[in-house]
Amino acid sequence: GAVVSQHPSWVICKSGTSVKIECRSLDFQATTMFWYRQFPKQSLMLMATSNEGSKATYEQGVEKDKFLINHASLTLSTLTVTSAHPEDSSFYICSAGGGAWNQPQHFGDGTRLSIL
Amino acid sequence: DQQVKQNSPSLSVQEGRISILNCDYTNSMFDYFLWYKKYPAEGPTFLISISSIKDKNEDGRFTVFLNKSAKHLSLHIVPSQPGDSAVYFCAASEVTGNEKLTFGTGTRLTIIP
Repeated sequence: GAVVSQHPSWVICKSGTSVKIECRSLDFQATTMFWYRQFPKQSLMLMATSNEGSKATYEQGVEKDKFLINHASLTLSTLTVTSAHPEDSSFYICSAGGGAWNQPQHFGDGTRLSIL
Repeated sequence: DQQVKQNSPSLSVQEGRISILNCDYTNSMFDYFLWYKKYPAEGPTFLISISSIKDKNEDGRFTVFLNKSAKHLSLHIVPSQPGDSAVYFCAASEVTGNEKLTFGTGTRLTIIP
């Protein structure tokens, strides 16, 4: 089955630091990847759609200058949380699109980000 | 505006019995529905999906039912096993080609041995 790898799984850093999270599709090419955020005991909220070779599409209310997304190849998308603050602490999860609207997305294992 | 809702935040079921998880949606443009299983600190794992042209889809112990007129879908797990204990999310996408998923709020299923 489709495998999506996300790294790192856990990050703890000081306020003001920028943190990069990688999302790789290991056994397939993904022109589209998605970045989600999940607060404790809540649903997954889509942050942005990452498109290979073009700019990401951000959901309403998500700061594009705070959450930088790069999708430079068909197997790698990165999310950089710039100048992170404690309110950015959350669980970030990426997924790779199934290739069509009626194909399932496959998810990475998520990154727990804790900003001190 | 929560377009996909799972009204039961938790559900406990005896091992071997049937687990029924429910999901309601409001957006009539949703045309593809999925169920994901999630453990803490892990990403969701795809379980089963259904498109609007069907009303039922089966895969082993898992069956998803779709009632489009009622905007309701359900996931049946039978027989339930202890390893099924997790949070289950339903999700939906529109036939607009952008593959965006809208997730429900999740139901925590606990299987009692």
